[in-house]
Amino acid sequence: GIQVEQSPPDLILQEGANSTLRCNFSDSVNNLQWFHQNPWGQLINLFYIPSGTKQNGRLSATTVATERYSLLYISSSQTTDSGVYFCAVDSNTGKLIFGQGTTLQVKP
Amino acid sequence: ETGVTQTPRHLVMGMTNKKSLKCEQHLGHNAMYWYKQSAKKPLELMFVYNFKEQTENNSVPSRFSPECPNSSHLFLHLHTLQPEDSALYLCASSQHRGAGELFFGEGSRLTVL
Repeated sequence: GIQVEQSPPDLILQEGANSTLRCNFSDSVNNLQWFHQNPWGQLINLFYIPSGTKQNGRLSATTVATERYSLLYISSSQTTDSGVYFCAVDSNTGKLIFGQGTTLQVKP
Repeated sequence: ETGVTQTPRHLVMGMTNKKSLKCEQHLGHNAMYWYKQSAKKPLELMFVYNFKEQTENNSVPSRFSPECPNSSHLFLHLHTLQPEDSALYLCASSQHRGAGELFFGEGSRLTVL
């Protein structure tokens, strides 16, 4: 099955800093999503982005499907951005497969 | 408000108990999913239902029994669980199986004593 690798596994930032999270995948995909899991466990949709670039406020994402990677950019980070960021992909199997996640801690 | 609600949010049960987790989606979706998230592990897909029909059982032990009476409701019946089954159980829905965005509920945190 498809393999999903996220990097870095852990990231500590000072409030106001920018960061880039990466998701590599091993096969072509028809679905790619980024999620933020808050400290209470809820998974919040950030982007549905099988290809191209999208922006939502301080967050943006780019997927280069031909090169099998996606990037999530966080600008001017805030303490509320802390949590785990997951990339999940589907390669036409009907099953969304999750990466291991990047744990982000933003310090005040 | 995510459109997908799960109850209970927390559950503690003994190994001989029988309990059920409930999920309801208000998004008009046709596919519903159960995922398991254990500590230090990525989310694992357990079951998929599309138009009330089970389309995926990801080698889940029979002590977990799903039920999907209609496209809006999904249950996970639990019996004779083991302590290693303690985890966060997440329900999700999408327009159709494998199509479009996946939306998650808040999760049910299960502890098996």
